[in-house]
Parts: sequence; C-alpha cells; structure tokens
Amino acid sequence: KAGVTQTPRYLIKTRGQQVTLSCSPISGHRSVSWYQQTPGQGLQFLFEYFSETQRNKGNFPGRFSGRQFSNSRSEMNVSTLELGDSALYLCASSLGNIDYGYTFGSGTRLTVV
Amino acid sequence: AQSVTQLDSHVSVSEGTPVLLRCNYSSSYSPSLFWYVQHPNKGLQLLLKYTSAATLVKGINGFEAEFKKSETSFHLTKPSAHMSDAAEYFCVVSPSGSARQLTFGSGTQLTVLP
Repeated sequence: KAGVTQTPRYLIKTRGQQVTLSCSPISGHRSVSWYQQTPGQGLQFLFEYFSETQRNKGNFPGRFSGRQFSNSRSEMNVSTLELGDSALYLCASSLGNIDYGYTFGSGTRLTVV
Repeated sequence: AQSVTQLDSHVSVSEGTPVLLRCNYSSSYSPSLFWYVQHPNKGLQLLLKYTSAATLVKGINGFEAEFKKSETSFHLTKPSAHMSDAAEYFCVVSPSGSARQLTFGSGTQLTVLP
C-alpha cells in the first residue's frame, strides 16, 4: 500500500515568487492536512481538507492557500514568498476520523532566498 | 482549546536502559492523543495513539504510553533503549471524533549513548 507522497522533495525559490506543493494521500483517505515545521515555531497546522472542502484552517496569512481535488490529491500554494516561509511542509492523510490517526508524508523542504 | 507540553526538550539515555518521555496535555474536549517520531530529514511516523479505549496503549518498536486523566499526562516509555531510537519525539493532541486539527508539542530530542 503506497504511503503519502509529497512532491517535490526540495524547492528553492526567491522572495516574492509563488510556489505550489503537491500531496497524494493514501488510497481511500479523504482527509488531507498540511503542517509547517520550522525550528523556531515547531509544527503548526495550516489547513485540512475533506472531500474537496476546507474543514479547518490554522492561523496563517491569506498568502497560504490550498485545495483538494476529487481524487483527494491536494495542493497548497504560497504566494509572495518571504524568507520566513522557509520550512518543511508536511502533508498528512486520514480516513477522516481521528480514531484512525494520521499518516504523514516525508515533506517538501522549501528554502526561500 | 487544547495544548501540549513536553516537559523535556532533550533526554539522554544509555543503550539498554529505560526511556521516559514526558507529556502533559490540556483539552476542552475528550482528547485523542498520539506520539509521533521523526528521524532526521524524514517525515513523522505514528508510534501509538489513544482514542478513549484502553488507557495503556502499546505501540510499535516496544514503546507504550499510559493515559492518566487525573494527571492530564500521556508519558511515553520503553523498557530498553536501542541506538535506532535516537530521534525527535512529538506528543500530539486532538479533539476526538472527526479528524480536525492536531496540536503538537515542542518535541523531545532523544539521544541514545552506546
């Protein structure tokens, strides 16, 4: 059974650019969540999608957005990149009920220069 | 509202000795609790989860944790540390029920000495 796949693994962007990250969940999982991990702030929740609808959103500016497609694949987009957006972005998938837990991907390492 | 406090940012043990990683939580709801492990440059791997069933939860690689509601704790233990256990460990809380938002602790870096 394939795990959660995140692409690309590494990205280098310059300030002001925009970036799109992709996440393919485990087959059959309808919930996809995104988290940002930085040394200073730790792991912070960005948003969660279930059946193409955003169910919950963390405390991030509007430059961070996401969407989910009918096949449950999800993308997140960050516009007008800032140096502080450099982080490991992790995607997690779930059947949709917390009792099943979350399975995380290996992440996308974004560096903004 | 919910929060998680991992009481030690670093723990160092010798190989073959017990491991104790401490976690206290705060939640307005009946919580679900998790422990995840992260090896360098890797994603997060689920070690174990508590979702209102048995209070003593057994996970992978010999780890277990006990949910103590009166103490609002969910400490992670392992009887005998192995070199491969060296990693960062995260205690996580979420309201039980539908999958919503996970709140992570700040992490505990476990070092295993030979």
